[in-house]
Parts: sequence; structure tokens; C-alpha cells
Amino acid sequence: DAKTTQPPSMDCAEGRAANLPCNHSTISGNEYVYWYRQIHSQGPQYIIHGLKNNETNEMASLIITEDRKSSTLILPHATLRDTAVYYCIVRVAGGNAGNMLTFGGGTRLMVKP
Amino acid sequence: NAGVTQTPKFRVLKTGQSMTLLCAQDMNHEYMYWYRQDPGMGLRLIHYSVGEGTTAKGEVPDGYNVSRLKKQNFLLGLESAAPSQTSVYFCASLGMGSEKLFFGSGTQLSVL
Repeated sequence: DAKTTQPPSMDCAEGRAANLPCNHSTISGNEYVYWYRQIHSQGPQYIIHGLKNNETNEMASLIITEDRKSSTLILPHATLRDTAVYYCIVRVAGGNAGNMLTFGGGTRLMVKP
Repeated sequence: NAGVTQTPKFRVLKTGQSMTLLCAQDMNHEYMYWYRQDPGMGLRLIHYSVGEGTTAKGEVPDGYNVSRLKKQNFLLGLESAAPSQTSVYFCASLGMGSEKLFFGSGTQLSVL
């Protein structure tokens, strides 16, 4: 699976949009981009995933560049409860279910009042 | 639904002791996983199972054994605990055809 690069930490003001970047320049054509977050040592929580089109759900939006070498997770109105470590992961969808998500260091997002 | 439940939540062992961590899911998921997370690090896959009666090694399997006798349960065993196994252990499950992994709340294990 392709590796990802994320900034180690970011700050965001409460109520503002949080834009979390992820670089995945070696992504393959059949690899998806997944985002998970981990709040205060709880189990990671799925946020969103996509292949090449932008995606939106009730939690966030995922913007993938046309060349698919980078993406941005957008939390439109960050709250204090969004303070967490955000993981960007790329892998082939389906396939060997055992070759599952590889979690790197992630980005520690701190939402401030 | 309870989702993914891990027991116990905390445990302290002495070096050489054995224990079993239990993971139970009530979503009829085919796939189950055990990860470990060391302080300040990402998660690493220990073992996984693609169905009842099947298990396979992940990235860091040494020192651990697993069993999946029932579809809803995935057990992680430590036969002879070592201080290097001090970590937080997370269980996860995945439904067939889904890309959304569900995690338990974790087991904090300390080996003295």
C-alpha cells in the first residue's frame, strides 16, 4: 500500500473549518483514501473514504486532487470534540481483508476555543 | 447494538504470566482484527481472521496467539507476557463488502 505524509500537528479555532492535508504521491490507481480519527486513546473511528471524486458525509468532506497525489479532509465547523489524531490511509479496497489499514503517525488536531 | 466489546479494559501482569483478551462483536461481521498501539505511535496489526475457524498473522504476531471458534468472538492470548507487550490493544471488525472498520474501546495492558 502507498505511504502517506501528514503534518504532525495542527491547530484550529472552534467554529472554523479544519483542513487536514495528506500527501500520497505514490498512490496506485486502485487505491482508496481513507480517513479515521482517534479521540483521546479511544478506538479509531471511521470518517470517510474515496477513490477520486470528492466525497461528503455528515462528518466531513474529502477533497482529492485530480492527480490523486494528495487529499484534504475538511471538518466544516470544528468543535472542541473534534480534537483528536487524524489518520490518512491509502489501500486497495476489498481484496485481502487481512491486509488492512496501516496507521501511521497521523495529525494531532487541537481545536481551541 | 453494542458494536465491538473488549474485555478486560485494564490489566496488570507480571512477566511470564498468561492471559486472554476477549473481543466480541454483535454485527455479524466476517472479519476481525487485533491491533496494538504503543504510546505516541500508530496502530500495528497483530493477527486477523477472515472467518470463523480461520486466523492469520499480521505485522507483529510474535508472542501472541489467537482463536476464532465463534464468528462473534476473537480471542488474543499471551502465553508468557513480557514487558515489551505493555501496550493498548484494540480489536476491530469489518463486514463483508464494507470498507468501514469498527473498533472496540481498547484494553490497556501493563506487564511488569
